[in-house]
Amino acid sequence: GAVVSQHPSRVICKSGTSVKIECRSLDFQATTMFWYRQFPKQSLMLMATSNEGSKATYEQGVEKDKFLINHASLTLSTLTVTSAHPEDSSFYICSASGPVGETQYFGPGTRLLVL
Amino acid sequence: DQQVKQNSPSLSVQEGRISILNCDYTNSMFDYFLWYKKYPAEGPTFLISISSIKDKNEDGRFTVFLNKSAKHLSLHIVPSQPGDSAVYFCAASEGTDKLIFGTGTRLQVFP
Repeated sequence: GAVVSQHPSRVICKSGTSVKIECRSLDFQATTMFWYRQFPKQSLMLMATSNEGSKATYEQGVEKDKFLINHASLTLSTLTVTSAHPEDSSFYICSASGPVGETQYFGPGTRLLVL
Repeated sequence: DQQVKQNSPSLSVQEGRISILNCDYTNSMFDYFLWYKKYPAEGPTFLISISSIKDKNEDGRFTVFLNKSAKHLSLHIVPSQPGDSAVYFCAASEGTDKLIFGTGTRLQVFP
């Protein structure tokens, strides 16, 4: 089946630094990628939707200047958390769907801890 | 306003019995529903889905039922196994739009 990978799986950084998370579709072309954030005891919250070659669409309340998303190719999307703060500590999950919009395939997630 | 709701945060079932996880939605435009299973520290993995043109879809031990008039879907797992213990998310989408997730139900299957 389709495989989506994320790198790194876990990252610890100091407050004020930037962190880049990669999401890759390994065996299919992902025309659309989604970035989610999971909060404890809450559902996955969609942060933004990115389509290859175009600007990401951010959900209401998500700061686009803080969470930079780039979808440069059909197999790679990156999320950069700029000037990270402890409250950004969370589990970030990407998902990808192919050109016919079939089900989304989720990556394994990246756990971010900001000290 | 939560469009997809899983009102039971947890469920405990004995091994071999049936597990029934429920999900309600409010948006009548949703036409595709999915269930995801999530283990701790991992991303959700797709489990089973159903289109709004159907009312039942079965895959091995997993069956999803859809009641459009009630805007309700359920996931049945039978027989339940300890390895089924995880958090189950239902999700819905309209066309190829983003998935809207429920808050999840933690299933624990005990021997």
